[in-house]
Amino acid sequence: AQKITQTQPGMFVQEKEAVTLDCTYDTSDPSYGLFWYKQPSSGEMIFLIYQGSYDQQNATEGRYSLNFQKARKSANLVISASQLGDSAMYFCAMREERSNYQLIWGAGTKLIIKP
Amino acid sequence: DAGVTQSPTHLIKTRGQQVTLRCSPKSGHDTVSWYQQALGQGPQFIFQYYEEEERQRGNFPDRFSGHQFPNYSSELNVNALLLGDSALYLCASSLGDRVYGYTFGSGTRLTVV
Repeated sequence: AQKITQTQPGMFVQEKEAVTLDCTYDTSDPSYGLFWYKQPSSGEMIFLIYQGSYDQQNATEGRYSLNFQKARKSANLVISASQLGDSAMYFCAMREERSNYQLIWGAGTKLIIKP
Repeated sequence: DAGVTQSPTHLIKTRGQQVTLRCSPKSGHDTVSWYQQALGQGPQFIFQYYEEEERQRGNFPDRFSGHQFPNYSSELNVNALLLGDSALYLCASSLGDRVYGYTFGSGTRLTVV
């Protein structure tokens, strides 16, 4: 079974609009962390935002926020005021405490910002 | 402040050959993790090295092996290459067990022909 599901293979968004990238996860571990990374064409994974399973508030980092709905097991990334430089692949990933050191990744969403 | 450096950036190998990929971690980091990212997919965890020992391993065959040196740099070795080993190999460094603090390199693109 997929542990991380990203249902949007690709998205087109107009510049300056907000965009939501979907991520659902599956775990029975009560302690886990959720991550979003951006991967431009250069290949490097760039950390965007992190949410711990016990965090009471949704994480925010500048234009990025994470809409964490624990009961629904979803962790959607919201990018406000999108920019042309936001065009990239976006990956959701999870770390379960029991598996310790590895990140489990979704298949990614390709985001293209239109001018 | 140098980030994670991986070499080479691109590599073409023939089936059955062996390959070594290299990774220098970010300054101050002591832990190196390796991931394989096939085209159009998310990364898959290969293994993690800490204190020159393999600390955790993902679901990869023994053809995949690694090493960490005293200066924290690391190598990933793949023997008996298969066409399916063609992928982007990403190295991530961190301090201790802080997955939160991963820094990734730009990867090595391996093509097996």
